[in-house]
Amino acid sequence: GAVVSQHPSRVICKSGTSVKIECRSLDFQATTMFWYRQFPKQSLMLMATSNEGSKATYEQGVEKDKFLINHASLTLSTLTVTSAHPEDSSFYICSARDYQGANEKLFFGSGTQLSVL
Amino acid sequence: LAKTTQPISMDSYEGQEVNITCSHNNIATNDYITWYQQFPSQGPRFIIQGYKTKVTNEVASLFIPADRKSSTLSLPRVSLSDTAVYYCLVGDGKSTFGDGTTLTVKP
Repeated sequence: GAVVSQHPSRVICKSGTSVKIECRSLDFQATTMFWYRQFPKQSLMLMATSNEGSKATYEQGVEKDKFLINHASLTLSTLTVTSAHPEDSSFYICSARDYQGANEKLFFGSGTQLSVL
Repeated sequence: LAKTTQPISMDSYEGQEVNITCSHNNIATNDYITWYQQFPSQGPRFIIQGYKTKVTNEVASLFIPADRKSSTLSLPRVSLSDTAVYYCLVGDGKSTFGDGTTLTVKP
């Protein structure tokens, strides 16, 4: 299957700092990527849809000024958690949409564990 | 967007076949059904995808009845390393992930 690389895998930061997470599709072009957060023992929650060359679409309740998404190329989307606070600590995962034949498949990054002190 | 329902957990033993069923009563005509596996602290991994009838690959089979209101993931001869959470996703990337099924394989 297609490969999606997510970096960093783990980050610890102080409250008030900003953290950038990168998501790259390594062997295919992805016009659309998705960002999720996942709390322990819970399912993935879609945060936003990242579209190459245009603004991201955020799910209800997700602050767009808090979670900045940039999708400047067909292989890279970034999520920046601005002015992070302890309640932002979570596991963040990206996925990229790859069209194979008539339907799409989602391929996921390995996730980023964010811990805000 | 189709809502999915799966059993919260299942237990099995090594070497057994495991079948996990997902209900998706309001699946749309164009929706595909995709199953993912997730280990702790990792992103989900694609297992199999189908639209109708039966699909088989090197790791699993997917059975979809004619009305497409449910689907069953079949894992042949599971091993301890198959212990994970399994999600069925109906539709595209904007679809909602259900709670998943935690499969525990015992020796």
